[in-house]
Amino acid sequence: SQQGEEDPQALSIQEGENATMNCSYKTSINNLQWYRQNSGRGLVHLILIRSNEREKHSGRLRVTLDTSKKSSSLLITASRAADTASYFCATDQTSGSRLTFGEGTQLTVNP
Amino acid sequence: NAGVMQNPRHLVRRRGQEARLRCSPMKGHSHVYWYRQLPEEGLKFMVYLQKENIIDESGMPKERFSAEFPKEGPSILRIQQVVRGDSAAYFCASSPTFGETQYFGPGTRLLVL
Repeated sequence: SQQGEEDPQALSIQEGENATMNCSYKTSINNLQWYRQNSGRGLVHLILIRSNEREKHSGRLRVTLDTSKKSSSLLITASRAADTASYFCATDQTSGSRLTFGEGTQLTVNP
Repeated sequence: NAGVMQNPRHLVRRRGQEARLRCSPMKGHSHVYWYRQLPEEGLKFMVYLQKENIIDESGMPKERFSAEFPKEGPSILRIQQVVRGDSAAYFCASSPTFGETQYFGPGTRLLVL
């Protein structure tokens, strides 16, 4: 398995519900970033959390990081149909500046 | 402040031709990264450049692929003698310094016939 694995692979919820996506990784990291990608489009940066941080908020987004478990979660509260997209976590390892992406979680929010 | 710009957005090539993909980083960003995304997959790192220097090309195939980031002008990812397996979306990202947020361009979708 590879660095930066998200689960679930696909998630379908109703508008207004919360969506939680998880990411696990294997090596030490400098930071972890979450991105969103609409079908056929580029990536939009959502949030960056550094290895010495445990939790960050941005609007309806809440990201946690547990370096002891090498895992992170992205929570989207009060989801909207417009949140439908693929969500990727990407780790920036301490040995370099490249980002290592997972395969993504496909989130579908039904109106 | 314009974001990362990539062109062309779509590129069609026949097998054996050359593909040139361009990336202009955000203003003030001197670090550029290229990633490739195959259908239904995550992005895979290819190469990391600073002005006039290749810092890390460990993700780039040894043959047919090359990248540059000249002192003036955009970064170029060049694929020679393209094959069908090169069909993918190629994304460029830039950051102001090492280890900071990488901002992505809209990508170039390459189709090799």
